Amino acid sequence: SAVISQKPSRDICQRGTSLTIQCQVDSQVTMMFWYRQQPGQSLTLIATANQGSEATYESGFVIDKFPISRPNLTFSTLTVSNMSPEDSSIYLCSVGGAGQPQHFGDGTRLSIL
Amino acid sequence: KQEVTQIPAALSVPEGENLVLNCSFTDSAIYNLQWFRQDPGKGLTSLLLIQSSQREQTSGRLNASLDKSSGRSTLYIAASQPGDSATYLCAVNSGNTPLVFGKGTRLSVIA
Repeated sequence: SAVISQKPSRDICQRGTSLTIQCQVDSQVTMMFWYRQQPGQSLTLIATANQGSEATYESGFVIDKFPISRPNLTFSTLTVSNMSPEDSSIYLCSVGGAGQPQHFGDGTRLSIL
Repeated sequence: KQEVTQIPAALSVPEGENLVLNCSFTDSAIYNLQWFRQDPGKGLTSLLLIQSSQREQTSGRLNASLDKSSGRSTLYIAASQPGDSATYLCAVNSGNTPLVFGKGTRLSVIA
């Protein structure tokens, strides 16, 4: 199974600032997904990132707030922009699908003061 | 729109008990169902994947079943151990669509 590394593992940020989360996979993958898990809640998909095209965002998430890059088949970044306390969550990167198990990184635990 | 429900929300059992976690989904046209484990503050670990053509999958003390027509899956854990304490998440997808998750069952196994 794919090994997924996320950086940073956790951060504490000031409101109004931005943070970029990195996701590195040890093999080439077509689709990468970014999820958010708010405290005490399950996972909500933010967007699907395909290499060479614009990310596809789910309802309630917009590119200006969560810009995503996918420069190659093993790497992606998610930026959380102009952060507010409501953005305090765990952000998770995932790969897989189409009949194969979906695997997740360890996540980035983000707290906004 | 697919919705996934997990019952119970929380469960506490003494060590050694066998237990069953339940998952139901509203749209039976699924491609895969996947069970995950999540430890506090951590990412997700994939436990079992059941494809729509399969009825069950087994890994060690874990057995997951799928009844696609009724929109249900169960995760059976045999001889539970304190190390099994975690949140267990069920998720489904259809083809290349992303996974839709339930809210999970928080399991505590008491020594």
